[in-house]
Amino acid sequence: AQTVTQSQPEMSVQEAETVTLSCTYDTSESNYYLFWYKQPPSRQMILVIRQEAYKQQNATENRFSVNFQKAAKSFSLKISDSQLGDTAMYFCAFMGNSGYALNFGKGTSLLVTP
Amino acid sequence: KAGVTQTPRYLIKTRGQQVTLSCSPISGHRSVSWYQQTPGQGLQFLFEYFSETQRNKGNFPGRFSGRQFSNSRSEMNVSTLELGDSALYLCASSLAAYEQYFGPGTRLTVT
Repeated sequence: AQTVTQSQPEMSVQEAETVTLSCTYDTSESNYYLFWYKQPPSRQMILVIRQEAYKQQNATENRFSVNFQKAAKSFSLKISDSQLGDTAMYFCAFMGNSGYALNFGKGTSLLVTP
Repeated sequence: KAGVTQTPRYLIKTRGQQVTLSCSPISGHRSVSWYQQTPGQGLQFLFEYFSETQRNKGNFPGRFSGRQFSNSRSEMNVSTLELGDSALYLCASSLAAYEQYFGPGTRLTVT
């Protein structure tokens, strides 16, 4: 079974600064997807960014980028120019060959302060 | 396009009762997945339906069941409710596996 580990339960960053959230995973599969989801206080899960394992290039979406290290099974999220609206729980998730079943980490609570 | 809708948004039930939650996917999406979110266990996959067939199931007891209709709307049912079933139940719809869109969730409280 795949496991997803987020070792930082809580993090804090000042507005306009950069923060990196860590995620490691364990799998024996060679082809899979990795995701970062954001869950603000409204509880709506929002897809932030995804990475396909067969792509070596790290995914980027505006202020959000990932550092995908396949051999190390590491998938960190970097948020640049942090904004107050980035305050949320961030979940790292894995999807393997079983398809459509997301396996989530425990989450990192990010607080962006003025 | 309208997003994923879930009804009801909040529900209070008593132990031993049963409950049915509904999820309407984004138009054109044929896959619907269900997740349970609790403070203790986090987010856990329940099951996934595609074209009225359950394709994948998580590690939950048989009290948890679901179905999907021909219009892709899905329902999940929990029978003989336990206190531990109190959770946020999230539904997600997909056109492709790598792009799941979540609904706002149904908050179930079991007393």
